[in-house]
Amino acid sequence: NAGVTQTPKFRILKIGQSMTLQCAQDMNHNYMYWYRQDPGMGLKLIYYSVGAGITDKGEVPNGYNVSRSTTEDFPLRLELAAPSQTSVYFCASTPFRGPQSIQYFGAGTRLSVL
Amino acid sequence: ELKVEQNPLFLSMQEGKNYTIYCNYSTTSDRLYWYRQDPGKSLESLFVLLSNGAVKQEGRLMASLDTKARLSTLHITAAVHDLSATYFCAVDHGGSNYKLTFGKGTLLTVNP
Repeated sequence: NAGVTQTPKFRILKIGQSMTLQCAQDMNHNYMYWYRQDPGMGLKLIYYSVGAGITDKGEVPNGYNVSRSTTEDFPLRLELAAPSQTSVYFCASTPFRGPQSIQYFGAGTRLSVL
Repeated sequence: ELKVEQNPLFLSMQEGKNYTIYCNYSTTSDRLYWYRQDPGKSLESLFVLLSNGAVKQEGRLMASLDTKARLSTLHITAAVHDLSATYFCAVDHGGSNYKLTFGKGTLLTVNP
Protein backbone atom coordinates (compact mmCIF):
# COMPACT_ATOMS: atom_id res chain seq x y z
CA ASN A 1 0.00 0.00 0.00
CA ALA A 2 1.32 3.42 -0.98
CA GLY A 3 -0.70 5.28 1.69
CA VAL A 4 -0.24 9.06 1.49
CA THR A 5 2.24 10.15 -1.17
CA GLN A 6 3.70 13.63 -1.32
CA THR A 7 5.77 15.11 -4.12
CA PRO A 8 8.28 16.63 -4.36
CA LYS A 9 10.32 15.73 -1.29
CA PHE A 10 12.48 18.83 -1.50
CA ARG A 11 12.18 22.12 -3.33
CA ILE A 12 13.90 25.47 -3.38
CA LEU A 13 11.90 28.44 -4.62
CA LYS A 14 12.83 32.01 -5.28
CA ILE A 15 10.74 34.76 -3.70
CA GLY A 16 7.67 35.43 -5.82
CA GLN A 17 7.64 32.07 -7.58
CA SER A 18 4.65 29.76 -7.41
CA MET A 19 4.41 26.01 -7.04
CA THR A 20 2.03 23.18 -6.26
CA LEU A 21 2.71 20.57 -3.61
CA GLN A 22 1.09 17.31 -4.58
CA CYS A 23 -0.65 14.92 -2.21
CA ALA A 24 -2.33 11.67 -3.18
CA GLN A 25 -3.80 8.87 -1.10
CA ASP A 26 -4.93 5.45 -2.28
CA MET A 27 -6.97 4.51 0.81
CA ASN A 28 -10.25 6.08 -0.33
CA HIS A 29 -10.19 8.46 2.63
CA ASN A 30 -12.70 11.28 2.63
CA TYR A 31 -10.83 13.62 4.95
CA MET A 32 -7.54 15.21 3.95
CA TYR A 33 -5.38 17.88 5.61
CA TRP A 34 -2.40 20.07 4.93
CA TYR A 35 -0.07 21.07 7.77
CA ARG A 36 3.12 23.02 8.00
CA GLN A 37 5.77 22.26 10.57
CA ASP A 38 8.21 24.92 11.67
CA PRO A 39 11.06 24.10 14.07
CA GLY A 40 9.85 23.90 17.66
CA MET A 41 6.30 24.88 16.72
CA GLY A 42 4.44 21.64 16.21
CA LEU A 43 2.12 21.29 13.22
CA LYS A 44 -0.26 24.02 12.10
CA LEU A 45 -3.31 23.25 9.96
CA ILE A 46 -3.34 25.15 6.66
CA TYR A 47 -6.41 23.76 4.84
CA TYR A 48 -8.55 20.69 5.04
CA SER A 49 -11.14 18.86 2.98
CA VAL A 50 -14.00 16.61 4.04
CA GLY A 51 -14.61 15.26 0.57
CA ALA A 52 -14.25 15.96 -3.13
CA GLY A 53 -15.30 19.51 -3.92
CA ILE A 54 -15.31 20.63 -0.27
CA THR A 55 -12.43 22.55 1.29
CA ASP A 56 -12.05 24.91 4.23
CA LYS A 57 -9.42 27.05 5.89
CA GLY A 58 -7.42 25.94 8.86
CA GLU A 59 -5.36 27.99 11.27
CA VAL A 60 -2.78 29.46 8.83
CA PRO A 61 -4.30 29.63 5.30
CA ASN A 62 -2.86 32.94 4.09
CA GLY A 63 -0.66 32.59 1.02
CA TYR A 64 -2.03 29.15 0.12
CA ASN A 65 -4.83 27.68 -1.92
CA VAL A 66 -6.20 24.17 -2.30
CA SER A 67 -8.57 22.22 -4.48
CA ARG A 68 -10.11 18.78 -4.19
CA SER A 69 -11.49 17.57 -7.49
CA THR A 70 -11.11 13.86 -6.66
CA THR A 71 -11.14 11.79 -3.48
CA GLU A 72 -7.51 10.80 -4.05
CA ASP A 73 -5.78 14.14 -4.65
CA PHE A 74 -5.44 17.26 -2.53
CA PRO A 75 -2.85 19.66 -4.00
CA LEU A 76 -1.62 22.72 -2.12
CA ARG A 77 -0.79 25.79 -4.18
CA LEU A 78 1.65 28.48 -3.08
CA GLU A 79 1.27 31.75 -4.92
CA LEU A 80 4.00 34.39 -4.72
CA ALA A 81 6.26 32.44 -2.38
CA ALA A 82 7.70 34.31 0.59
CA PRO A 83 10.55 33.40 2.97
CA SER A 84 7.94 32.94 5.72
CA GLN A 85 6.68 29.91 3.80
CA THR A 86 9.95 28.08 4.30
CA SER A 87 8.78 25.01 6.20
CA VAL A 88 8.13 21.31 6.06
CA TYR A 89 4.68 20.53 4.68
CA PHE A 90 2.76 17.41 5.61
CA CYS A 91 -0.36 16.03 4.03
CA ALA A 92 -2.57 13.67 6.04
CA SER A 93 -5.76 11.73 5.52
CA THR A 94 -8.28 9.83 7.59
CA PRO A 95 -11.29 7.74 6.71
CA PHE A 96 -13.00 8.50 9.94
CA ARG A 97 -14.92 5.27 10.19
CA GLY A 98 -15.08 5.37 13.96
CA PRO A 99 -13.55 7.01 17.01
CA GLN A 100 -10.35 4.96 16.71
CA SER A 101 -9.57 6.41 13.27
CA ILE A 102 -6.27 8.22 13.03
CA GLN A 103 -4.70 10.63 10.60
CA TYR A 104 -2.11 9.02 8.32
CA PHE A 105 0.73 11.29 7.29
CA GLY A 106 2.80 11.53 4.14
CA ALA A 107 6.59 11.75 4.21
CA GLY A 108 6.57 15.54 3.89
CA THR A 109 7.87 18.18 1.47
CA ARG A 110 10.75 20.33 2.64
CA LEU A 111 10.44 23.76 1.05
CA SER A 112 12.94 26.62 1.16
CA VAL A 113 12.08 30.06 -0.20
CA LEU A 114 15.16 32.18 -0.85
CA GLU B 1 -9.75 28.60 20.39
CA LEU B 2 -8.26 25.26 21.31
CA LYS B 3 -4.76 25.51 22.77
CA VAL B 4 -2.52 22.52 23.46
CA GLU B 5 0.53 22.78 25.69
CA GLN B 6 3.16 20.12 26.13
CA ASN B 7 5.88 20.02 28.70
CA PRO B 8 8.68 19.61 28.86
CA LEU B 9 9.69 20.65 25.35
CA PHE B 10 13.11 19.06 25.75
CA LEU B 11 13.88 15.97 27.77
CA SER B 12 17.24 14.29 28.16
CA MET B 13 17.09 10.97 29.95
CA GLN B 14 19.42 8.21 30.89
CA GLU B 15 18.68 4.71 29.75
CA GLY B 16 16.72 2.78 32.33
CA LYS B 17 15.05 5.82 33.89
CA ASN B 18 11.35 6.70 33.97
CA TYR B 19 9.77 9.98 33.00
CA THR B 20 6.44 11.55 32.04
CA ILE B 21 5.47 14.00 29.29
CA TYR B 22 2.42 16.16 29.97
CA CYS B 23 -0.18 17.47 27.54
CA ASN B 24 -2.70 20.08 28.70
CA TYR B 25 -5.50 21.39 26.50
CA SER B 26 -7.86 24.30 26.89
CA THR B 27 -11.33 23.15 25.77
CA THR B 28 -13.38 20.01 26.04
CA SER B 29 -12.49 17.26 23.61
CA ASP B 30 -13.37 13.61 23.29
CA ARG B 31 -10.31 12.46 21.35
CA LEU B 32 -6.61 12.85 22.00
CA TYR B 33 -3.74 11.40 20.02
CA TRP B 34 -0.07 10.79 20.61
CA TYR B 35 2.32 10.72 17.66
CA ARG B 36 6.01 10.01 17.33
CA GLN B 37 8.35 11.69 14.83
CA ASP B 38 11.90 10.56 14.13
CA PRO B 39 14.30 13.21 12.80
CA GLY B 40 13.55 14.08 9.19
CA LYS B 41 10.68 11.61 9.09
CA SER B 42 6.91 11.66 9.06
CA LEU B 43 4.56 11.25 12.02
CA GLU B 44 3.61 7.83 13.29
CA SER B 45 0.51 7.26 15.39
CA LEU B 46 1.11 5.81 18.86
CA PHE B 47 -2.18 6.06 20.76
CA VAL B 48 -5.76 7.24 20.48
CA LEU B 49 -7.43 8.08 23.79
CA LEU B 50 -11.19 8.44 23.74
CA SER B 51 -12.61 8.67 27.21
CA ASN B 52 -11.92 9.84 30.72
CA GLY B 53 -9.60 7.45 32.47
CA ALA B 54 -8.48 5.79 29.24
CA VAL B 55 -5.10 4.12 29.50
CA LYS B 56 -3.17 2.52 26.67
CA GLN B 57 0.20 0.83 26.73
CA GLU B 58 2.62 -0.25 24.04
CA GLY B 59 5.99 -1.54 25.15
CA ARG B 60 7.69 1.03 27.37
CA LEU B 61 5.12 3.75 26.62
CA MET B 62 1.86 4.26 28.47
CA ALA B 63 -0.62 7.03 27.74
CA SER B 64 -3.53 8.17 29.87
CA LEU B 65 -6.30 10.72 29.63
CA ASP B 66 -8.10 12.77 32.27
CA THR B 67 -10.80 14.72 30.44
CA LYS B 68 -11.93 16.56 33.57
CA ALA B 69 -8.45 17.96 34.12
CA ARG B 70 -7.93 18.29 30.34
CA LEU B 71 -4.65 16.47 30.75
CA SER B 72 -2.97 13.56 29.06
CA THR B 73 0.30 11.97 30.07
CA LEU B 74 2.80 9.84 28.19
CA HIS B 75 4.84 7.80 30.63
CA ILE B 76 8.13 6.27 29.62
CA THR B 77 9.34 3.27 31.59
CA ALA B 78 12.98 2.15 31.64
CA ALA B 79 13.92 4.29 28.65
CA VAL B 80 16.06 2.87 25.86
CA HIS B 81 17.95 4.71 23.13
CA ASP B 82 15.41 3.65 20.46
CA LEU B 83 12.79 5.83 22.13
CA SER B 84 14.72 8.97 21.19
CA ALA B 85 12.32 11.01 19.01
CA THR B 86 9.92 13.93 19.16
CA TYR B 87 6.53 13.14 20.70
CA PHE B 88 3.45 15.16 19.89
CA CYS B 89 0.04 15.19 21.45
CA ALA B 90 -2.86 16.31 19.29
CA VAL B 91 -6.39 17.14 20.37
CA ASP B 92 -9.50 16.79 18.24
CA HIS B 93 -11.62 19.92 17.92
CA GLY B 94 -14.83 17.92 17.97
CA GLY B 95 -17.55 18.13 15.39
CA SER B 96 -17.51 16.44 12.01
CA ASN B 97 -14.29 17.80 10.53
CA TYR B 98 -11.87 15.80 12.71
CA LYS B 99 -9.42 18.69 12.84
CA LEU B 100 -6.49 18.39 15.19
CA THR B 101 -4.49 20.95 17.12
CA PHE B 102 -0.97 19.78 17.92
CA GLY B 103 1.26 20.60 20.83
CA LYS B 104 4.76 21.89 20.09
CA GLY B 105 6.26 18.48 20.71
CA THR B 106 8.70 17.05 23.23
CA LEU B 107 12.17 16.23 21.94
CA LEU B 108 13.27 13.18 23.88
CA THR B 109 16.92 12.14 23.92
CA VAL B 110 17.83 8.92 25.71
CA ASN B 111 21.51 8.70 26.57
CA PRO B 112 23.43 5.50 27.33
